[in-house]
Amino acid sequence: GQQLNQSPQSMFIQEGEDVSMNCTSSSIFNTWLWYKQDPGEGPVLLIALYKAGELTSNGRLTAQFGITRKDSFLNISASIPSDVGIYFCAGQLWAGGGNKLTFGTGTQLKVEL
Amino acid sequence: GAGVSQSPRYKVAKRGQDVALRCDPISGHVSLFWYQQALGQGPEFLTYFQNEAQLDKSGLPSDRFFAERPEGSVSTLKIQRTQQEDSAVYLCASSGPGTGSYEQYFGPGTRLTVT
Repeated sequence: GQQLNQSPQSMFIQEGEDVSMNCTSSSIFNTWLWYKQDPGEGPVLLIALYKAGELTSNGRLTAQFGITRKDSFLNISASIPSDVGIYFCAGQLWAGGGNKLTFGTGTQLKVEL
Repeated sequence: GAGVSQSPRYKVAKRGQDVALRCDPISGHVSLFWYQQALGQGPEFLTYFQNEAQLDKSGLPSDRFFAERPEGSVSTLKIQRTQQEDSAVYLCASSGPGTGSYEQYFGPGTRLTVT
């Protein structure tokens, strides 16, 4: 099935650094969601974006819904060890039959202590 | 609990066996989704329920996969005659109340290993 392109695929960062990751699609979406998944657990919703151009924050997390509706960005400021995990973007297109999610390939975040 | 729960958390099946995976959504959530997550991949959509109606099953990989939600609450994903390629984590998500909610909340998943 279709998966959205996420970059980078993985990254090491120093504690306290800022992190940026992005997600691109060949088709448009009405909603973008960002999730974090820890090993052995299900994805946990971090941020939801509903309008093109929207910028939304949740604590140290900031996400943006791209103007073209084909991309989204997630920034994490002042990273800490518990930020370790895999981050997934997910696009959603309402088409009358439901709002299934199309997920990205994931960005694995590893923190250097 | 307030979240989505799934059982069992782990299942080992011999090739050819049938398995049934259960999902308890968040109380009052109208919409329920099943996703399959292969190792190292993002989740992929399998099927969608609105209350008891299965409105989209376009992601089910074969006719060996069957899902139901008879009373509009608990859902079961059944896989018949399991194959090794069915090994994956099966995730359930719910959203609501109402059909206009966009945010999906996931359970912990069931890890299926077919030997």
